Amino acid sequence: SQTIHQWPATLVQPVGSPLSLECTVEGTSNPNLYWYRQAAGRGLQLLFYSVGIGQISSEVPQNLSASRPQDRQFILSSKKLLLSDSGFYLCAWSVPWQPQHFGDGTRLSIL
Amino acid sequence: GIQVEQSPPDLILQEGANSTLRCNFSDSVNNLQWFHQNPWGQLINLFYIPSGTKQNGRLSATTVATERYSLLYISSSQTTDSGVYFCAPLVSGSRLTFGEGTQLTVNP
Repeated sequence: SQTIHQWPATLVQPVGSPLSLECTVEGTSNPNLYWYRQAAGRGLQLLFYSVGIGQISSEVPQNLSASRPQDRQFILSSKKLLLSDSGFYLCAWSVPWQPQHFGDGTRLSIL
Repeated sequence: GIQVEQSPPDLILQEGANSTLRCNFSDSVNNLQWFHQNPWGQLINLFYIPSGTKQNGRLSATTVATERYSLLYISSSQTTDSGVYFCAPLVSGSRLTFGEGTQLTVNP
């Protein structure tokens, strides 16, 4: 069966520090991968998605970037965090015509 | 882009009650997912339903794609049903657009 792993679960970072969140998927090949952010409140916003290694589409211009160095690895990064980057970050995967499945998320607090 | 509207935004029930959550969307969709986000933040897949009706235990969902809405029914609610319910239509490729959710509280 397929599983998705995200880490860390929680992270507290100072303003201006770098960021690296990692997501890996097991049990499937060539999945579509996604990063979402959920700010305080409820809606989820799609940040990035990838249909293959090195292929990244950005949905919202921002202080963040994404990379996909391996088929089942998706990384969310920032060179310098802003206060507005605080939130709950979720990674997800899917294959065509199947539902998306989400990881447990990372709670990021910027001080 | 597509607009997704969920109602009601908040719902408080007594254990054992039934409820209906609604999701309206502004454009044609290829599919639609319903999720439950529990108090720990985990997003749990409930239904993947482009049209018609599906049932899973006490939960069922109906999507009427031609009229651009979907409904989630919860029967005999339990305290563990508490959390936020999201609908997310799939418009192009595999990209979901989330509504703002319905916050459900089930009291014992």
